Amino acid sequence: EVQLLESGGGLVQPGGSLRLSCAASGFTFTTYAMSWVRQAPGKGLEWVSAISGGGGNTYYADSVKGRFTISRDTSKNTVYLRMNSLRAEDTALYYCAKENRGDSTYYNNWFDPWGQGTLVTVSS
Amino acid sequence: QSVLTQPPSASGTPGQRVTISCSGSSSNIGSYTVNWYQQLPGTAPKLLIYNNNQRPSGVPDRFSGSTSGTSASLAISGLQSEDEADYYCAAWDDSLDGWVFGGGTKLTVL
Repeated sequence: EVQLLESGGGLVQPGGSLRLSCAASGFTFTTYAMSWVRQAPGKGLEWVSAISGGGGNTYYADSVKGRFTISRDTSKNTVYLRMNSLRAEDTALYYCAKENRGDSTYYNNWFDPWGQGTLVTVSS
Repeated sequence: QSVLTQPPSASGTPGQRVTISCSGSSSNIGSYTVNWYQQLPGTAPKLLIYNNNQRPSGVPDRFSGSTSGTSASLAISGLQSEDEADYYCAAWDDSLDGWVFGGGTKLTVL
């Protein structure tokens, strides 16, 4: 069974940094791209970032480009999201999701499954 | 403002058929397959429809998806109370080089 377990969320001041982790199990980690998707309180889903199975390709939403960095550690089957220069508008529940293909740009791709999420609150 | 446009709300009575639309452009729905996600209250999103019209194992055949040009639709027939949830469409966008979501549609079963 595929499982995704996010961690690392918490309360951080504006301008601060945080690193989220997503521990994966139940599949061949290097075969699949992984994404982070966030949901602000009471709002819809917003894709944040993706990384290819091999880690060579990364993609970012314009809203986080230059501030967030996605990476993966194949020895730990874990995907990370390093978040710098955090703003109040980054407050959200951050979900990790496994993609169906090795790269987000490939056809016939989707998110399945999703983790349970980790909450990030940016506030002074 | 979401790249994919969905109605914010939809409703129906038990047993009815409802449809939820998702409008995009040539760089997303017009070029890539559409996926639909169901988010029940207080839970993580779940894959509902993939590749425009395919249902994952365990999803009832009451749920169906379709596309036409730069638009997609999700249809739910035989509406049940447990279908009350938020529904999101999504696709890759090759102009933005990223995934795009619809704003979500809150389905109410009256």
